[in-house]
Amino acid sequence: QVQLVQSGAEVKKPGASVKVSCKASGYTFTSYGISWVRQAPGQGLEWMGWISAYNGNTNYAQKLQGRVTMTTDTSTSTAYMELRSLRSDDTAVYYCARDSSSGPQGGWFDPWGQGTLVTVSS
Amino acid sequence: EIVLTQSPDFQSVTPKEKVTITCRASQSIGSSLHWYQQKPDQSPKLLIKYASQSFSGVPSRFSGSGSGTDFTLTINSLEAEDAATYYCHQSSSLPHTFGGGTKVEIK
Repeated sequence: QVQLVQSGAEVKKPGASVKVSCKASGYTFTSYGISWVRQAPGQGLEWMGWISAYNGNTNYAQKLQGRVTMTTDTSTSTAYMELRSLRSDDTAVYYCARDSSSGPQGGWFDPWGQGTLVTVSS
Repeated sequence: EIVLTQSPDFQSVTPKEKVTITCRASQSIGSSLHWYQQKPDQSPKLLIKYASQSFSGVPSRFSGSGSGTDFTLTINSLEAEDAATYYCHQSSSLPHTFGGGTKVEIK
């Protein structure tokens, strides 16, 4: 079955970086995009950006531009999201999701990974 | 960016009752509106894609309607397992955005 499995929880200090992985299985990785969405504790969903697993093209949320980098490794069907210069308000569960569209506009998301809790605290 | 406004924020409903959740977009998004269900401590799950297309495996009591700026998610005959927060999501233009969520509680 189609599945996305994310890396484990992280605790980081302010100013540090975190890199979350998302390993895909059960489908042709390069035929879809991967979107990243985060959810702060008790809050709603926030779209962070999208990457094409076909050619590596990306679109990032403007508020994260310069701090976020999304990449893929097609040899292992794994997507990565790196967030730098972490602040306390980056504390959230980070989700990857398969994007129905391989193009930059994006579509609906299914399935989602199980989520990775990133805690930023001194 | 396109703002999605969901209402209500919270709804307490008895089993078998009908639930209606609305999502209003700040500008026309055609049918590029999707609905998700998120249960506590779980990842969101897709219910409806492109406003009215039921996703595979989703119970038939879930349905969606609307186009342009006004959309509705309907749960016919609510079941206890439907207790969750429901989110709308637009993919019409970047950045993608989500509604604030509607929490459905079972009385």
